[in-house]
Amino acid sequence: AQKVTQAQTEISVVEKEDVTLDCVYETRDTTYYLFWYKQPPSGELVFLIRRNSFDEQNEISGRYSWNFQKSTSSFNFTITASQVVDSAVYFCALRSTGGFKTIFGAGTRLFVKA
Amino acid sequence: EPEVTQTPSHQVTQMGQEVILRCVPISNHLYFYWYRQILGQKVEFLVSFYNNEISEKSEIFDDQFSVERPDGSNFTLKIRSTKLEDSAMYFCASSEGGPERDQPQHFGDGTRLSIL
Repeated sequence: AQKVTQAQTEISVVEKEDVTLDCVYETRDTTYYLFWYKQPPSGELVFLIRRNSFDEQNEISGRYSWNFQKSTSSFNFTITASQVVDSAVYFCALRSTGGFKTIFGAGTRLFVKA
Repeated sequence: EPEVTQTPSHQVTQMGQEVILRCVPISNHLYFYWYRQILGQKVEFLVSFYNNEISEKSEIFDDQFSVERPDGSNFTLKIRSTKLEDSAMYFCASSEGGPERDQPQHFGDGTRLSIL
């Protein structure tokens, strides 16, 4: 069975702090995709990143960075120098290469205070 | 950039009534999906649709639900005899290719369904 666990329900930081959102996944598939989505208070799902299971290189995009470690089945997301606009719910997700459905974690609600 | 559009953004319906949620996928996309998010909870897969038939569905997608592509542009989710627990945000998504190809699913902004 596939499962995505985001153990942090809520995180609260002060602006300019760095914050890491944890994601641990379970799958028996040898190939799969991992995703992060942002859901602001307005409710839409904003795609942030997709990572193929073959590619364990870490990625940086501006203030965002992702650490994929297959050995520990983790795909953590770090926001550097957080801003108030980063306040949202962040979802980690998993999809098999041969599957139609995306499995989402429960989400981590991030509060960034000014 | 082309996007998936969903209408209405908010739908209020009396319990027991039927509701149809509408989605216009990206024009060259061939695979369509519905997901549901009950308030404060995770996003859950409902169904995928390709070539005018369901390709995969979850245990949530029971006989109360149906999907249809009534014309060349719309993709609809029908919920019959709505219940209070059907209140949720419903997301439509589409992808150009299927799971065998490296194609992302693009999500719409969602329709918030409130059952009274």
